[in-house]
Amino acid sequence: SQQGEEDPQALSIQEGENATMNCSYKTSINNLQWYRQNSGRGLVHLILIRSNEREKHSGRLRVTLDTSKKSSSLLITASRAADTASYFCATDRHTGGGNKLTFGTGTQLKVEL
Amino acid sequence: EAQVTQNPRYLITVTGKKLTVTCSQNMNHEYMSWYRQDPGLGLRQIYYSMNVEVTDKGDVPEGYKVSRKEKRNFPLILESPSPNQTSLYFCASSWTSEGNEQFFGPGTRLTVL
Repeated sequence: SQQGEEDPQALSIQEGENATMNCSYKTSINNLQWYRQNSGRGLVHLILIRSNEREKHSGRLRVTLDTSKKSSSLLITASRAADTASYFCATDRHTGGGNKLTFGTGTQLKVEL
Repeated sequence: EAQVTQNPRYLITVTGKKLTVTCSQNMNHEYMSWYRQDPGLGLRQIYYSMNVEVTDKGDVPEGYKVSRKEKRNFPLILESPSPNQTSLYFCASSWTSEGNEQFFGPGTRLTVL
C-alpha cells in the first residue's frame, strides 16, 4: 500500500456536523500536509504539521500527528456544504534525491444540507 | 496574481503523436513537479525538478520527459503517447523541496485514443 493512506475513503455527513479523516503512513517523515481538491481541479494546501508537532489549528481545521503510530487526523468542525471535496494527506520525507512529497488516495467528503 | 498555469487544459490525441504540456509559475519557486491522478490511485509523481537544469524521476516516469531550462517553466513531454497515459495531470511548484506547501496548477485532462 502507499505511503499515506486516508481513511475512510468516503464520508457523508450533515451540515453542522464534524468530519474526521485519518491518514496512516509507513516511514519516518519531516512533515505531513493536508490538501483539498474540488472535483477535477487543482489541489489546495490546507495545513502543514511538522514531525515535532502534535496538534495544529487553522480556522475550523484541526490536525493531529502521532509519529509513534505513524498517523494523522484532520478534523473539520461545523462542516458546511462548501466543504464538500476530496481531502488528501501528503507525507514529506527525506530521500537520497532531496525531500519527497507522497500523496495518499484521498477521502471524499460530502456535506449535505 | 501568484499562480501555476498549465496548457492545454484539455487534450484528446492519438497513440504515438508527440505532445507537450506546458507549466509555468510566477512565484520564483525553485521546486517544480508533475503528477498524474488516476481513480483509486491518488496522485503519483512523474518527475520533479529541484532547480534549473536539475530534474529527477518520480514514481512513474516511464513514457515521459521533462526539461527545466528556465526557473519558471517545466514542460512535460510525451514522445509517443499511449492509451495508458490517459489521465489528469497536475503541475506543482514550491519554494524548495523541503517542507513547503505546493501550489498546484488547474490540471490537464489528457485522453489518448
